[in-house]
Amino acid sequence: AQSVTQLGSHVSVSEGALVLLRCNYSSSVPPYLFWYVQYPNQGLQLLLKYTSAATLVKGINGFEAEFKKSETSFHLTKPSAHMSDAAEYFCAVSSASKIIFGSGTRLSIRP
Amino acid sequence: EAQVTQNPRYLITVTGKKLTVTCSQNMNHEYMSWYRQDPGLGLRQIYYSMNVEVTDKGDVPEGYKVSRKEKRNFPLILESPSPNQTSLYFCASSSTTGTGSYEQYFGPGTRLTVT
Repeated sequence: AQSVTQLGSHVSVSEGALVLLRCNYSSSVPPYLFWYVQYPNQGLQLLLKYTSAATLVKGINGFEAEFKKSETSFHLTKPSAHMSDAAEYFCAVSSASKIIFGSGTRLSIRP
Repeated sequence: EAQVTQNPRYLITVTGKKLTVTCSQNMNHEYMSWYRQDPGLGLRQIYYSMNVEVTDKGDVPEGYKVSRKEKRNFPLILESPSPNQTSLYFCASSSTTGTGSYEQYFGPGTRLTVT
């Protein structure tokens, strides 16, 4: 069975600081991993995805994530936070017909 | 513009009164799915459809029905809504590749309140 754990339901960083959102997964087969972002009053949109081509994945808006099989992790990072990054972020793991979402991490940016 | 649309966006109803939330996509996607989003629980899958006339239960199907008569539409039906179905609902679609690596495109959400 597949599962996803996001550590920290709420993360707050200062503008310009490093953003690190943590995601650990469990999967019996090689996983497909995703990060989605949800801005207030909107649906989810894809930030980036890992499909085994490269362990470091670059996404939109300066975000990237590194797949670490030994740690079963897929943490999301951005070197310098911007006010517009304030949103909720979801990690997800997928199989052929099913996708499992984590419980989400709300990112707040302090001026 | 490629998009997933849902209607209505907001709905307040009473216990037991049947309702339907519509979902439509214009991307010719085979796969469509319904999720509910609740605080602290993330998104949980209600039902999904791999293609026309093919539907299957997700993790929380109780109290919901779906149908897939046309490729573009995937309505969610609550035959007898109850207060525990108060939630934010999302429809999503994707092109299936058979490998699970497909991106899902989400609608804007429907906020349902059952009193």
